[in-house]
Amino acid sequence: GAVVSQHPSRVICKSGTSVKIECRSLDFQATTMFWYRQFPKQSLMLMATSNEGSKATYEQGVEKDKFLINHASLTLSTLTVTSAHPEDSSFYICSARTGAGPQHFGDGTRLSIL
Amino acid sequence: SQQGEEDPQALSIQEGENATMNCSYKTSINNLQWYRQNSGRGLVHLILIRSNEREKHSGRLRVTLDTSKKSSSLLITASRAADTASYFCATAPSGAGSYQLTFGKGTKLSVIP
Repeated sequence: GAVVSQHPSRVICKSGTSVKIECRSLDFQATTMFWYRQFPKQSLMLMATSNEGSKATYEQGVEKDKFLINHASLTLSTLTVTSAHPEDSSFYICSARTGAGPQHFGDGTRLSIL
Repeated sequence: SQQGEEDPQALSIQEGENATMNCSYKTSINNLQWYRQNSGRGLVHLILIRSNEREKHSGRLRVTLDTSKKSSSLLITASRAADTASYFCATAPSGAGSYQLTFGKGTKLSVIP
């Protein structure tokens, strides 16, 4: 149980393109979802926390207009990287939890901006 | 900010040996968790230890927590090649809003067959 599906697993696109990443909880209702960014050989940096039906809470230094997060249902959150540039290339990972339970992670999305 | 710091950053051992990874943190915590990440994949939750616990076991995993030293260790016994991965500790702060996790930089473990 507690499976989180993240899609796509890899994206390669041109600079200026907007990219949407989906995070789905398959067998549980996720009241809270988290989006992380991970640089090569680095740890996970929390970008934002989203609760179903409300606006996401962004961490300091994360541009809200750059990284749009929508958590419209209890099983789906999306992260849209708008007008992506090469510096946005990274590994993005989502996680989901229900109530006070543990976080369950997706398999990540490798984003490469040319 | 990242408060979990693992050491060593990289560890290479022979199959069958034990692997020990350490984690230090700075603030008060509700719990500390260890995760495993295979290359290019998401994180898999291994074990959670609460602030009032000192030791916990799960299969070949043994985790200790010393809140006075703000440190934790993860021991993997009788390592296997399949244990090759990066291991991260993550802390959940005490108090309200303790659902957020702060991850350390990780230890990259290589188990040589």
